[in-house]
Amino acid sequence: RKEVEQDPGPFNVPEGATVAFNCTYSNSASQSFFWYRQDCRKEPKLLMSVYSSGNEDGRFTAQLNRASQYISLLIRDSKLSDSATYLCVVTGAGSYQLTFGKGTKLSVIP
Amino acid sequence: DADVTQTPRNRITKTGKRIMLECSQTKGHDRMYWYRQDPGLGLRLIYYSFDVKDINKGEISDGYSVSRQAQAKFSLSLESAIPNQTALYFCATSDPGTSHEQYFGPGTRLTVT
Repeated sequence: RKEVEQDPGPFNVPEGATVAFNCTYSNSASQSFFWYRQDCRKEPKLLMSVYSSGNEDGRFTAQLNRASQYISLLIRDSKLSDSATYLCVVTGAGSYQLTFGKGTKLSVIP
Repeated sequence: DADVTQTPRNRITKTGKRIMLECSQTKGHDRMYWYRQDPGLGLRLIYYSFDVKDINKGEISDGYSVSRQAQAKFSLSLESAIPNQTALYFCATSDPGTSHEQYFGPGTRLTVT
């Protein structure tokens, strides 16, 4: 099992749609979880951290299920500007190294 | 001005040449990282450094070396470049007090012919 696995995508959705990304991780001792966003040929940037209680930032909601080792990201009311690749990222136990998923590409279509 | 800068932004070199990629940061972070990104493989860690005297190998360090010249500077060298080192290279920094968020430079696109 790969350390961090994501839906391969790509996801092509119309503006205004709700889209969900899923991610699983293999290290049960992982401590911190993130979603990063990467625009084409640009650097990754932190979108949001993911907490056990779940967290929301505007149209974005992230959930963590430690028992299932599963992370999700929900985007509501998709905008054209949401088009990017979304990277699921976890740390190891006691480690400050980040392990990145391969990413899921999202294209929001007018 | 960008907080994390990388030079050069693009480089084409020939097999067997030595090449250095440079990274500078103004964020005041102690921790710095080098990654490479290949299509379909995601980001992979090459080396990381937690302070000037600390160097650690990452997942794919073979064929690479690094130098941490100062808190703000972290260089990646390819001693003898080979075509499968063609990739997009990112430098990143982090502050241990901010839950491991990493800040990335704009990347260097390296092509080895």
